[in-house]
Amino acid sequence: DAGVIQSPRHEVTEMGQEVTLRCKPISGHNSLFWYRQTMMRGLELLIYFNNNVPIDDSGMPEDRFSAKMPNASFSTLKIQPSEPRDSAVYFCASSSREQSQYFGPGTRLTVT
Amino acid sequence: GQQLNQSPQSMFIQEGEDVSMNCTSSSIFNTWLWYKQDPGEGPVLLIALYKAGELTSNGRLTAQFGITRKDSFLNISASIPSDVGIYFCAGPRGGSNYKLTFGKGTLLTVNP
Repeated sequence: DAGVIQSPRHEVTEMGQEVTLRCKPISGHNSLFWYRQTMMRGLELLIYFNNNVPIDDSGMPEDRFSAKMPNASFSTLKIQPSEPRDSAVYFCASSSREQSQYFGPGTRLTVT
Repeated sequence: GQQLNQSPQSMFIQEGEDVSMNCTSSSIFNTWLWYKQDPGEGPVLLIALYKAGELTSNGRLTAQFGITRKDSFLNISASIPSDVGIYFCAGPRGGSNYKLTFGKGTLLTVNP
């Protein structure tokens, strides 16, 4: 079975530009999570979807961040406008049992 | 809050040796998860534990859910070079089923 698929794997953009990260969860999983990982803060949960509905977005840093899940097989995380402090690795994870989350390979975002 | 203390922070071992690492908390966890993260990749779920006292194996890996629900350990037998990486313990926090708390990780280096 294919795991969680994320694209792009690397993104370099200039401050102020819009960034869109994409995720395809594992087929049959009904929960999807977006995380951010930095050296300083480790893994942080940004938002959690269940059955395509956002359940908890309390980890979204600010209004510049938004996430959507239009269907069970696709989700996006958008940053507009991007700032250098947004540089991090962004992971998407999915699960059929909420605790056992399976992570994608991540998108390494660099904002200059 | 619920924090997970992992030890040791890092380990340097020779190929073929057995490895043991653990995770403790001052709070009770109902699920323990063990992940491995390779450089440039996302965390990979190795073992999930759902019941106190549970002992589960996955190949050369064995993990146990402590009886007190406040600790868990992961053992790797007969280590090989590809075991190199960062090992994280994690568990759902604050009564949530999906908000995972992650330990800070154990960095394992295996010398061939």
